[in-house]
Amino acid sequence: QSVLTQAPSASGTPGQRVTISCSGSSSNIGRYPVNWYRQVPGTAPKLLIYSNNRRPSGVPDRLSGSTSGTSASLAISGLQSEDEADYYCSAWDDRLRALVFGGGTKLTVL
Amino acid sequence: QEQVVESGGGVVQPGMSLRISCAASGFTFSTHAMHWVRQAPGKGLEWVAFIWHDGSNANYADSVKGRFTISRDNSKNTVYLHMNTLRVDDTAVYYCARDPPNSGWRLDCWGQGTLVAVSS
Repeated sequence: QSVLTQAPSASGTPGQRVTISCSGSSSNIGRYPVNWYRQVPGTAPKLLIYSNNRRPSGVPDRLSGSTSGTSASLAISGLQSEDEADYYCSAWDDRLRALVFGGGTKLTVL
Repeated sequence: QEQVVESGGGVVQPGMSLRISCAASGFTFSTHAMHWVRQAPGKGLEWVAFIWHDGSNANYADSVKGRFTISRDNSKNTVYLHMNTLRVDDTAVYYCARDPPNSGWRLDCWGQGTLVAVSS
């Protein structure tokens, strides 16, 4: 059971906008920045969004992050086949004194 | 370029020990905290441990506390994970990742991982 809760799967068609949600608590998302990672199976995770809504160099602006209270969201617009991957949210948890991850959302592009 | 490369994984029996390493290059290693994150087969990411840039502090996941020790040698640009009393459920790909100063716990550079398989 992950400390951060994500839906196990999401899907969309090319060109659509999809949103992946991450639910936490006051000891993690409610207090610390949220980071998002993308992982193509068989490869290492890659940082996608940091500090809730900032993109590292090279990440397109059709990807965006947001937070509200103890929840966070990752939005992907103009969905492309290359977006098919697993997505993880993460934040520091003050109560556990640990870095926590969501269980991951598998995004399928139909 | 900036990179981290893990090594030292392998097959070990339950109860045995193993040390895995992560060599960094292309950036100022001594200013970055470093993390180990693992992924069991078919499962999600699980944070294992992190160590401050100067090695003065470390934190561990409850699942490994008392069995695993993270350490670093800034003169060698290397971080280690010493794993004792290994269990079958420690089987995973172990990733090393960089955490820049004042970054809000963002892991912005990951290695390719090293597989640790615990089996009798």
